[in-house]
Amino acid sequence: EAEVAQSPRYKITEKSQAVAFWCDPISGHATLYWYRQILGQGPELLVQFQDESVVDDSQLPKDRFSAERLKGVDSTLKIQPAELGDSAMYLCASSVTGNTEAFFGQGTRLTVV
Amino acid sequence: QQQVKQSPQSLIVQKGGIPIINCAYENTAFDYFPWYQQFPGKGPALLIAIRPDVSEKKEGRFTISFNKSAKQFSLHIMDSQPGDSATYFCAAGHGSSNTGKLIFGQGTTLQVKP
Repeated sequence: EAEVAQSPRYKITEKSQAVAFWCDPISGHATLYWYRQILGQGPELLVQFQDESVVDDSQLPKDRFSAERLKGVDSTLKIQPAELGDSAMYLCASSVTGNTEAFFGQGTRLTVV
Repeated sequence: QQQVKQSPQSLIVQKGGIPIINCAYENTAFDYFPWYQQFPGKGPALLIAIRPDVSEKKEGRFTISFNKSAKQFSLHIMDSQPGDSATYFCAAGHGSSNTGKLIFGQGTTLQVKP
């Protein structure tokens, strides 16, 4: 069964350091989403890509967060510098198009110390 | 106007019981209402979704009831099993154009006792 792959699964980083997360969507999925899920809360959308283009990054804290999907396939989310409040699960999801079911990966659990 | 409010925060039922989780939304432009199930350490998995042209949808033991005028929808789990113990999230979005851009509720932690 095809899955959204994310790595690493767990990441511990010190405050002010840079950290990056990688996502490989299901093959053929043109739409990719990055969500952040704080413990005990629902996921919140950070950024949405359609192929290699950003469709919506209105909730992305652009002073420290960046996201790219250079070839329209896999994607990287970066935080620089990391802050204590960034500790959360970072989830990637993908869908064939914008109006079909979105599938989530297992996420990257980030702890900032 | 973008919020989705979910209740209860936690729920404990006996095996075979019918837990009910409720959600309310504000934005009448939403037209796609999915429910996701999440186990510890895993990503959310789509359980069932409904669009506002129907008032109820069943898939196996899971049923969504939808009340468009009240802007509310709920998840019922029939004959609940210990394996259903998980966190459940309702969400709302624009299914005709963007099913992955979702506003999620706060989640309900369900425990089904054997």
